[in-house]
Amino acid sequence: DVKVTQSSRYLVKRTGEKVFLECVQDMDHENMFWYRQDPGLGLRLIYFSYDVKMKEKGDIPEGYSVSREKKERFSLILESASTNQTSMYLCASSPRQGLLKDYGYTFGSGTRLTVV
Amino acid sequence: RKEVEQDPGPFNVPEGATVAFNCTYSNSASQSFFWYRQDCRKEPKLLMSVYSSGNEDGRFTAQLNRASQYISLLIRDSKLSDSATYLCGIYNFNKFYFGSGTKLNVKP
Repeated sequence: DVKVTQSSRYLVKRTGEKVFLECVQDMDHENMFWYRQDPGLGLRLIYFSYDVKMKEKGDIPEGYSVSREKKERFSLILESASTNQTSMYLCASSPRQGLLKDYGYTFGSGTRLTVV
Repeated sequence: RKEVEQDPGPFNVPEGATVAFNCTYSNSASQSFFWYRQDCRKEPKLLMSVYSSGNEDGRFTAQLNRASQYISLLIRDSKLSDSATYLCGIYNFNKFYFGSGTKLNVKP
């Protein structure tokens, strides 16, 4: 079974803090993704990566950055947390495109971040 | 226009009913299609891929209509445990787009 592990289930941070969300996958997947999920807005892609040290902006990258120093780990960084970044953050991984059709994405269990 | 659209529901059905959801997509070149199930406060989990010829997994049937650009999920003999939100996922040139989900409530 593919496992995507997110370091925290619940997190409370103060406005202005720098926040690190960690994601680790154990199936040697090339692709990794960060989404946020908000009621009525669905899943929105923040950043993604197809390889080590490689990153691409998603649809809502403002206020976020990412790091992928190792294949299995993809970190999301909130440079200066704000209350509008209160959300459920979901990490996902997938194999390369040729295998994606059969396997889709596997999501981590999510981090519910509250910024106060 | 959104890449992927779903009726948010909720669909309230009695146990044993048959229920169907659709998901429309805007890019005719979309390559792969999926249905995910998401329970309250949990992550989405892959329910099934959707193949061009349609596919079935037990009580669940998924179909793809490329001409009208939608996928569908049919659930037969609904169980209480089927209550969840069902998200469609569409893969398009290295990006994965998700619908906002359709909420299903199966009542006794």
